[in-house]
Amino acid sequence: EDKVVQSPLSLVVHEGDTVTLNCSYEVTNFRSLLWYKQEKKAPTFLFMLTSSGIEKKSGRLSSILDKKELFSILNITATQTGDSAIYLCAVRGGTSYGKLTFGQGTILTVHP
Amino acid sequence: NAGVTQTPKFQVLKTGQSMTLQCAQDMNHEYMSWYRQDPGMGLRLIHYSVGAGITDQGEVPNGYNVSRSTTEDFPLRLLSAAPSQTSVYFCASRAGGGNSPLHFGNGTRLTVT
Repeated sequence: EDKVVQSPLSLVVHEGDTVTLNCSYEVTNFRSLLWYKQEKKAPTFLFMLTSSGIEKKSGRLSSILDKKELFSILNITATQTGDSAIYLCAVRGGTSYGKLTFGQGTILTVHP
Repeated sequence: NAGVTQTPKFQVLKTGQSMTLQCAQDMNHEYMSWYRQDPGMGLRLIHYSVGAGITDQGEVPNGYNVSRSTTEDFPLRLLSAAPSQTSVYFCASRAGGGNSPLHFGNGTRLTVT
């Protein structure tokens, strides 16, 4: 059974801080790892990673995958109050039409 | 472009009642799925469909039925609601090919008393 574990489960920081969110996984026939941001409603897609060591970057957010050690990190630099959200990590394996298995999520709170 | 549309946004049921959560997408996506989200549990897959007429169970299918008569619609039926089904339900879809990101609807918050 595929498994995704995120840490920490919650994090409180102040604006301007840098945060690192962790995601470790066990999956059969790994195909991709995805990060989502969830504010009040629907999760919105951030990154998809398929290859080890290649950083994906979007503004102040970046993510990297280590397929040997089976983990990914999501970095947010110079945090803002608008970064407050639940960050979800999900992995896709090679079975069952590529369904996604999600971690528990990390609740990030950024104080002014 | 509406994306994935879920109705209703909120629902309160009594134990034993049945209801259908509606989901429609206008992106011609082959793959559609239903997740439930509970505190500390992340998103858990209930049922999914890879095309019209094809459905399969996910991680937590008990107490729920689905059907897929058209590409656009993927309703989730609660047969006899239980308090354990109190949750936020998300419908999501993606294009075929297996490695596309999921697009989520805005969710339905269901309370069963």
